[in-house]
Amino acid sequence: DAGVIQSPRHEVTEMGQEVTLRCKPISGHDYLFWYRQTMMRGLELLIYFNNNVPIDDSGMPEDRFSAKMPNASFSTLKIQPSEPRDSAVYFCASTQGDRVSEAFFGQGTRLTVV
Amino acid sequence: AQSVTQLGSHVSVSEGALVLLRCNYSSSVPPYLFWYVQYPNQGLQLLLKYTSAATLVKGINGFEAEFKKSETSFHLTKPSAHMSDAAEYFCAVSSGGYQKVTFGTGTKLQVIP
Repeated sequence: DAGVIQSPRHEVTEMGQEVTLRCKPISGHDYLFWYRQTMMRGLELLIYFNNNVPIDDSGMPEDRFSAKMPNASFSTLKIQPSEPRDSAVYFCASTQGDRVSEAFFGQGTRLTVV
Repeated sequence: AQSVTQLGSHVSVSEGALVLLRCNYSSSVPPYLFWYVQYPNQGLQLLLKYTSAATLVKGINGFEAEFKKSETSFHLTKPSAHMSDAAEYFCAVSSGGYQKVTFGTGTKLQVIP
């Protein structure tokens, strides 16, 4: 397996524009997580899915953020409208089973909102 | 509730010297503890994990960590630093199930030739 794949790797957009980040988890993994990493706040869990169903979105900053997982092999994180304070690295991770096991991270999407 | 505190956001060691990265945790139940490493422009990679078995846990790249319940600590060590160890290291705690993992703020390790 190629691991967790995120696209794009880098995104620069203007304030007010819609941004969509994409993630392909490892095949067979039934948990998918979206994290945001900034210098100020470190690594924050935004939302996670189990079997394509959102379980906990309490980390989503506000209504401008939304996430979907239409099938087991694809998830999106959308920001509309984007703001400069959304600039961060966004990571997707996946793992298997409701147990303490290794989560595999993608390489992240570096988002810059100008 | 659970949390982790990583002491020192930046640590510098000489090549060949001992690496010691500190992590203290707080958990209302017996915890699971992790150390992750993040290289520049990469995602996090698991170094090692403690899941209530042996208190001394060995991981990849020569790293190990010891769970000390009395001190609520899970410090990461490596006897001899290598240049390739320069990265950011994250301690994390879970009260059960990966979805409940809480990460620390990270410690950047610099290795000086």
